[in-house]
Amino acid sequence: QSVLTQPPSASGTPGQRVTISCSGSRSNIGSNTVNWYQQLPGTAPKLLIYNNNQRPSGVPDRFSGSKSGTSASLAIGGLQSEDESDYYCAAWDDSLNGRVFGGGTKLTVL
Amino acid sequence: QVQLVQSGSEWEKPGASVKVSCKASGYTFTSYAINWVRQAPGQGLEWMGWINTNTGNPTYAQDFTGRFVFSSDTSVSTAYLQISSLKAEDTAVYYCARDLSLWFGESEATWLDPWGQGTLVTVSS
Repeated sequence: QSVLTQPPSASGTPGQRVTISCSGSRSNIGSNTVNWYQQLPGTAPKLLIYNNNQRPSGVPDRFSGSKSGTSASLAIGGLQSEDESDYYCAAWDDSLNGRVFGGGTKLTVL
Repeated sequence: QVQLVQSGSEWEKPGASVKVSCKASGYTFTSYAINWVRQAPGQGLEWMGWINTNTGNPTYAQDFTGRFVFSSDTSVSTAYLQISSLKAEDTAVYYCARDLSLWFGESEATWLDPWGQGTLVTVSS
């Protein structure tokens, strides 16, 4: 069981907007910034969002992140087939003194 | 460009040891820590810990003490993960990732970027 809680799956049709949630606690999301990683099938994770809502260079603005209290969300607008991937949230945990990940959400584009 | 290149897949018997390498290029190796992350087959990401590449000081997550050793060699800009007394449950892909952090106002943000391509370690008799 992961410290951060994500839904195991999500789905949407092309062009649709989908949101993936990430729930934590005061010691992680409540006190520190949230990052999101995309892991395409058979590849290494790639940074998608850092510092709650910042996109690295090259990440389309269809991807956006937000944080409120002890929860965070990743939104993907204008869903495309190539967005079909696993998505992980992550944060530093002050109680564990280490990084924690969500269990991952498998996004299916119908 | 900044990249981390890991060593190739390994197949070991239970009880053996394995050493995975992670070679950095495109930046000053000692300016950023390296983290290690495990992903068992069909499972999520699990943070193993990190190594301060400037001092060589490792920090291990609670579940990765004892049989896991992080090290680095600044002369070749490479970090290493050694696992001893291998067990079947160590079968996984192991990733290295560069640790980045910045202060935004009064809070520090930290994230991992880039990641190595991963090294599959299979433990089987």
